[in-house]
Amino acid sequence: EAGVVQSPRYKIIEKKQPVAFWCNPISGHNTLYWYRQNLGQGPELLIRYENEEAVDDSQLPKDRFSAERLKGVDSTLKIQPAELGDSAVYLCASSSGQFLETQYFGPGTRLLVL
Amino acid sequence: QKEVEQNSGPLSVPEGAIASLNCTYSDRGSQSFFWYRQYSGKSPELIMSIYSNGDKEDGRFTAQLNKASQYVSLLIRDSQPSDSATYLCAVNVNTNAGKSTFGDGTTLTVKP
Repeated sequence: EAGVVQSPRYKIIEKKQPVAFWCNPISGHNTLYWYRQNLGQGPELLIRYENEEAVDDSQLPKDRFSAERLKGVDSTLKIQPAELGDSAVYLCASSSGQFLETQYFGPGTRLLVL
Repeated sequence: QKEVEQNSGPLSVPEGAIASLNCTYSDRGSQSFFWYRQYSGKSPELIMSIYSNGDKEDGRFTAQLNKASQYVSLLIRDSQPSDSATYLCAVNVNTNAGKSTFGDGTTLTVKP
C-alpha cells in the first residue's frame, strides 16, 4: 500500500511569491490534514478535511493561505504571498475516518522563503 | 500554558537503560493519546496509541495514561542507539470538529 505522497519535497522562493503544495493521501482515507512544523516544535494543525469538507480550519491564516480538496482525494495548500516566517516543513497526513484513528504522515515539503 | 507540554530535553540514556518520556495536557475532554517518533529530517511515525487509563505494552514500548492527572508517558526498555529521535506526544479531543494537538517533542539520545 502506497503511503501519503507529497510534492515538491523542497521549495525555495523569494518573499511575496506564491507557492503551492500537493498531497495525495492513502487510498480510501477520508480524512486529510495539513500541518506546519517549525524547527524544534511539534506539528501545528492548519486544516482538516473530512472528504471534501474543511471541518477545522481555525488555525489557517486565511489572509494568505488557502486549501482545497476537490473530489475528496488530493489536496492542495497554497500560500500567496509568502512571508519569511512561512519557512517551515509542511506535512500532510491522512487517516481512515474518525479523528481517533491513526494519522499517517507524508514526507513533508520543506519550504524556505528568502 | 500550552495545551500539550513535554520536556524538551535533550534526554540522554545509556544503551540498555530505560528511557522515560512524559507529556501533560490541559483539556480534560481529551479522548485519545498518541506517541510519534520523528527522526531528524523525517516525518512523524506512530509508535503507540492509548485510549484508556493504565498501561499498554508493545514490545519494548509501554504507554501509560492517567486521565485524572492529565498525563501520558512512554517508557522505552532496553534502549538502543536506533531509538535516538524526537518523541512527539499528540492528544485528540472528542468534539464534533475534532482537534489534534502535538507537543513540541522530547529529544532522546541513546549512547552506545
